[in-house]
Amino acid sequence: AQKVTQAQTEISVVEKEDVTLDCVYETRDTTYYLFWYKQPPSGELVFLIRRNSFDEQNEISGRYSWNFQKSTSSFNFTITASQVVDSAVYFCALSEARTSYDKVIFGPGTSLSVIP
Amino acid sequence: DADVTQTPRNRITKTGKRIMLECSQTKGHDRMYWYRQDPGLGLRLIYYSFDVKDINKGEISDGYSVSRQAQAKFSLSLESAIPNQTALYFCATSDGDRVSNQPQHFGDGTRLSIL
Repeated sequence: AQKVTQAQTEISVVEKEDVTLDCVYETRDTTYYLFWYKQPPSGELVFLIRRNSFDEQNEISGRYSWNFQKSTSSFNFTITASQVVDSAVYFCALSEARTSYDKVIFGPGTSLSVIP
Repeated sequence: DADVTQTPRNRITKTGKRIMLECSQTKGHDRMYWYRQDPGLGLRLIYYSFDVKDINKGEISDGYSVSRQAQAKFSLSLESAIPNQTALYFCATSDGDRVSNQPQHFGDGTRLSIL
């Protein structure tokens, strides 16, 4: 069973629109970490955020915000006023205490295209 | 200069050849990882290492081997390459102990094509 699900394979939005990327995870651990990474067309992977399971506060960083809800096992990522430079593949990932956090499990990714 | 450097960046080779992908880091991190990325599957862990004497299999280690030559170097080998090993390969490093999980820092990737 897939532990990290990103149901949206591809999303296209027009510049300046808001867009939310969904992430649903599965774990039996009470202690775990969630991550988001960005992979622009150039191919490198860029770390965006880390959140531990005990911190359900939403986080905002500029145009980026994250909504962590343990009740629905979701860690969704919203980009406000999207820009062309936001076009990338975005990965949600999970690491669990029971594996000493070493086996980071990535979702399949969501490809976001921002159209000018 | 990049903190995590992978060489080569691109490689095309034939079935049955032995291939080595190299990774070096200047971050001083103890933990290093090798992943492969396939379309629609995200990244899958091949091997990981906590230090020079500690190497562990990941999710998809069959057909691969690794060597941690030094704290800063972690190489991935395909002993006899096959076409379904065509993928984008990433090396990553992270700091920290087993209590908390620091984010992983990735190299720029090696695009490997096996004909």
